[in-house]
Amino acid sequence: DAKTTQPTSMDCAEGRAANLPCNHSTISGNEYVYWYRQIHSQGPQYIIHGLKNNETNEMASLIITEDRKSSTLILPHATLRDTAVYYCIVRVRSNSGYALNFGKGTSLLVTP
Amino acid sequence: DAGVIQSPRHEVTEMGQEVTLRCKPISGHNSLFWYRQTMMRGLELLIYFNNNVPIDDSGMPEDRFSAKMPNASFSTLKIQPSEPRDSAVYFCASSPSGQVMNTEAFFGQGTRLTVV
Repeated sequence: DAKTTQPTSMDCAEGRAANLPCNHSTISGNEYVYWYRQIHSQGPQYIIHGLKNNETNEMASLIITEDRKSSTLILPHATLRDTAVYYCIVRVRSNSGYALNFGKGTSLLVTP
Repeated sequence: DAGVIQSPRHEVTEMGQEVTLRCKPISGHNSLFWYRQTMMRGLELLIYFNNNVPIDDSGMPEDRFSAKMPNASFSTLKIQPSEPRDSAVYFCASSPSGQVMNTEAFFGQGTRLTVV
């Protein structure tokens, strides 16, 4: 799997957009970028994924650079309930299947 | 759908005892994953099943750990004998298919295991 690098922590004011960056400079052409988050004491929750194009769903937007070496997860109007650890994962096919390998993630704190 | 169901939610046991964690994946999902989470090591993949067959168990810490998936709707993770360093939150996740890249995994609420 390609390695990902995320900031350890970030703050965001409630109501503002939260932009969470992720570097994956060694990503290969068939690897997807996945984002999950984990709210305290809960299991990880899927947010969004993409390959090349920008993606948007009801939770967030994913912006992938043209060279695919980095991406940004955007929560357009952060709320206090978005406080969580956000994981950027590059998922690749291997002999062992498609299991997700979580790194350290970014701890996002949304403040009133 | 009730999602991935894990039991028990909390387990406290004495060192040396056998512990069995249970997981019911989402109906129709072909892949099942067991993860362990600790403050020191974060989320670690322990083992992964596809169509009830273990595909990769390289993350299983040692022989004290074993996992089974006797059918598509049930899996167990057993620790025998348990040790204090096994204390962690254990998550089970399922996915529609592990062989299709464009799918997401759904996680259960986890089992918090404390070995004293």
